[in-house]
Amino acid sequence: QSVLTQPPSVSAAPGQKVTISCSGTRTNIGNNYVCWYQQLPGTAPKLIIYDNDKRPSGIPDRFSGSKSGTSATLGITEVQTGDEAEYFCGTWDFSLRMGVFGTGTQVTVL
Amino acid sequence: QVQLQESGPGLVKPSQTLSLTCTVSGGSINTGSNYWTWVRQPAGKGLEFLGRIHFRGNTDYNPSLKSRVTLSIDTSKNLFSLNLSSVTAADTAIYYCARDILGQVLNSPDNYYYMDVWGTGTAVTVSS
Repeated sequence: QSVLTQPPSVSAAPGQKVTISCSGTRTNIGNNYVCWYQQLPGTAPKLIIYDNDKRPSGIPDRFSGSKSGTSATLGITEVQTGDEAEYFCGTWDFSLRMGVFGTGTQVTVL
Repeated sequence: QVQLQESGPGLVKPSQTLSLTCTVSGGSINTGSNYWTWVRQPAGKGLEFLGRIHFRGNTDYNPSLKSRVTLSIDTSKNLFSLNLSSVTAADTAIYYCARDILGQVLNSPDNYYYMDVWGTGTAVTVSS
């Protein structure tokens, strides 16, 4: 059902960096800004990146976002055990005329 | 700040209609360009956009569910609602309401879109 493609999982040792990719098409990422959500176990998604690379108030600068063409990337530096969560990318699809999400990526801190 | 809270039955029988309400507090539902959205998540799976509604009544629906989804909004009570008809076990999920923002980037054909406020979610099981 998910329109955007992400790797199922990534892992890193504490203090290292992780990157998560999000691949779409011309009708979504290619022509719209991307956002990212963090979903800690048992909780609702939380917006951590919007407009490709902006962070809402309270989100540490260890989280960063970028977009190029029909793909986007979320980066987490100095990863901590508290960052263990599912991460979803999201954007608008002008062909479907609806919000679309990525398949989700589980981040594990070893 | 704005907070959202879902409410409704946790158990629905197959073929019946699932009805949920999202109450908005800490702000007005009658705000400019904000839309009010429903998203669901089956256990262990990803997020699925169901639909969104503006206080003026404009809606966008997921095309794959459009025939079964109806959204409504009650500005006097500051809430919006989801009706999903003819449910099956495949509709068992956690249902979230959210506030979303869709706009056009200045001097660009691109749009920006994100959901910045979410409810805590309500679990719905479809079973006889």
